Amino acid sequence: AQKVTQAQTEISVVEKEDVTLDCVYETRDTTYYLFWYKQPPSGELVFLIRRNSFDEQNEISGRYSWNFQKSTSSFNFTITASQVVDSAVYFCALRSVQGAQKLVFGQGTRLTINP
Amino acid sequence: NAGVTQTPKFQVLKTGQSMTLQCAQDMNHEYMSWYRQDPGMGLRLIHYSVGAGITDQGEVPNGYNVSRSTTEDFPLRLLSAAPSQTSVYFCASSPPTRSEQYFGPGTRLTVT
Repeated sequence: AQKVTQAQTEISVVEKEDVTLDCVYETRDTTYYLFWYKQPPSGELVFLIRRNSFDEQNEISGRYSWNFQKSTSSFNFTITASQVVDSAVYFCALRSVQGAQKLVFGQGTRLTINP
Repeated sequence: NAGVTQTPKFQVLKTGQSMTLQCAQDMNHEYMSWYRQDPGMGLRLIHYSVGAGITDQGEVPNGYNVSRSTTEDFPLRLLSAAPSQTSVYFCASSPPTRSEQYFGPGTRLTVT
């Protein structure tokens, strides 16, 4: 069975601090995708990044960076110099490329950036 | 492109009532799915469809029915609403290239 664990339920930091959101996953599949989604207070789900299981290169997009380590089954997300607008719930998710291709979500981490 | 649209945005039902949550996408995506979001539990898959005429159950299918007669539409039916179905419902779609799913704005359902 596939499982995604986001152990941090809530994180609160002061603006401009760096913050890392942890994601650990379990799957028996050799090929899969990992995702991060952002859910701001308005409620919609915003896609942030997709990572293929064969691509362990870290990725940076502006203040966001992602660290994928297959050896530890982790896909962590770091926000550098956090801003109040980064306040949201962040979800890590796993999707198999075989079978039903279901998307399995972690429980989410509520990030609050205080001014 | 409107993307993924959901109606209604809010709904209040009494226990035992039935209703249909509508979902439509205009991106010609083959894969569509329904999730419910409950506090502290992330999003859980209710039903999904890999194409018109094909549906299957997800993690929490009980109390819900789906059908997929067209590529564009994937309605979710609550047969006899229960307070445990109070939740936020999201519809999503993705192309057959197995990439990220695109989510609708959600429907907030309250069952009293």
